[in-house]
Amino acid sequence: DAKTTQPTSMDCAEGRAANLPCNHSTISGNEYVYWYRQIHSQGPQYIIHGLKNNETNEMASLIITEDRKSSTLILPHATLRDTAVYYCIVRESTGNQFYFGTGTSLTVIP
Amino acid sequence: GAVVSQHPSRVICKSGTSVKIECRSLDFQATTMFWYRQFPKQSLMLMATSNEGSKATYEQGVEKDKFLINHASLTLSTLTVTSAHPEDSSFYICSVTSGGAETQYFGPGTRLLVL
Repeated sequence: DAKTTQPTSMDCAEGRAANLPCNHSTISGNEYVYWYRQIHSQGPQYIIHGLKNNETNEMASLIITEDRKSSTLILPHATLRDTAVYYCIVRESTGNQFYFGTGTSLTVIP
Repeated sequence: GAVVSQHPSRVICKSGTSVKIECRSLDFQATTMFWYRQFPKQSLMLMATSNEGSKATYEQGVEKDKFLINHASLTLSTLTVTSAHPEDSSFYICSVTSGGAETQYFGPGTRLLVL
């Protein structure tokens, strides 16, 4: 079962930062936070993941609170192509299943 | 990340026939593959976990005799929907991971329509 809660939908103006929150209050010490996105009729695309520290890559930044009960995915300069459903997932590190929640449908507005 | 392909990308079949969907890991030795199903406007639902050379582990409520999974090599897993019915119409997606790796990489999905 999904262990995360996310807002159902969000809008963001093109060029602005998109901040997508995720609550995972029951996360355990060995569980990572993963973010994927799914553009309509495609397979999910990996974005980023982290355990405790904040992470940044070419796509996004992941900010994890000190108590690890929530996190925020930041797309620094949203474009129209970032319109997608964004899934936050918690999982133990290796070989274990992902259970997807309902995700956040992000619409980037021109 | 890993490059994953699925074939076919879409398939239409008659009720009662069987359909085989292939998932290939093109540049990655996938010790574990996962199969998901996604109905319109819903999230992905994990169906089964497939380890190379062993029997798949199915999630609760997924019929193993209806959804046959074969993971014969480190680069190929197949999902066969047997005696398909219209309610099996869905978007089927596979993902791959390697032993010790943290991240799953997903295929592009296969859209199945059963008439």
